[in-house]
Amino acid sequence: DAGVIQSPRHEVTEMGQEVTLRCKPISGHNSLFWYRQTMMRGLELLIYFNNNVPIDDSGMPEDRFSAKMPNASFSTLKIQPSEPRDSAVYFCASSLEGFAGNTIYFGEGSWLTVV
Amino acid sequence: AQKVTQAQTEISVVEKEDVTLDCVYETRDTTYYLFWYKQPPSGELVFLIRRNSFDEQNEISGRYSWNFQKSTSSFNFTITASQVVDSAVYFCALSAPGSGANSKLTFGKGITLSVRP
Repeated sequence: DAGVIQSPRHEVTEMGQEVTLRCKPISGHNSLFWYRQTMMRGLELLIYFNNNVPIDDSGMPEDRFSAKMPNASFSTLKIQPSEPRDSAVYFCASSLEGFAGNTIYFGEGSWLTVV
Repeated sequence: AQKVTQAQTEISVVEKEDVTLDCVYETRDTTYYLFWYKQPPSGELVFLIRRNSFDEQNEISGRYSWNFQKSTSSFNFTITASQVVDSAVYFCALSAPGSGANSKLTFGKGITLSVRP
């Protein structure tokens, strides 16, 4: 079975450019999460969707970040304009339901470097 | 608020040694779930185990075992006869209904395990 699929795997961009990260959750999963991993802050939740609806976006750092989920099989995380401090690994993850006990499965991550 | 503490930051062992990775959690919820994830050098996050707060039975899966003790709020992970392939960062995580987002995982800082041949 296909897991969570993220693209691109690696992205190097210049400061000020727009960055779009893409995610396809596991088929049948209706909860989707975007996490960011940095050395300083570890793994932190940016936003969480349930049935394509954003439920909790309190982790989104600022207005430069936006996320969408137009359908059950696709989500994007956009940074515009990007800054060097946005350099991190961005993980997309999905689970069956928005229930605390369900296992969250992660993609391989998108490694973003903003120079 | 939920909190996960992994006090060990880096552990180095020689192959075939046993190693225990500690995890201490805090939550006010009576129902909660604990997880361990592995992040190998390639970078992906791999799910290892989930445990709910009502099941304190220890679990063994091959060389891996987990010890859940509510009395000490700990969920420790032991690797028996470690192998070089076990080298990775290991994260303990907590999910509880009171965290706002039902499935939100609160992660510890991770433990970097290096297994030397």
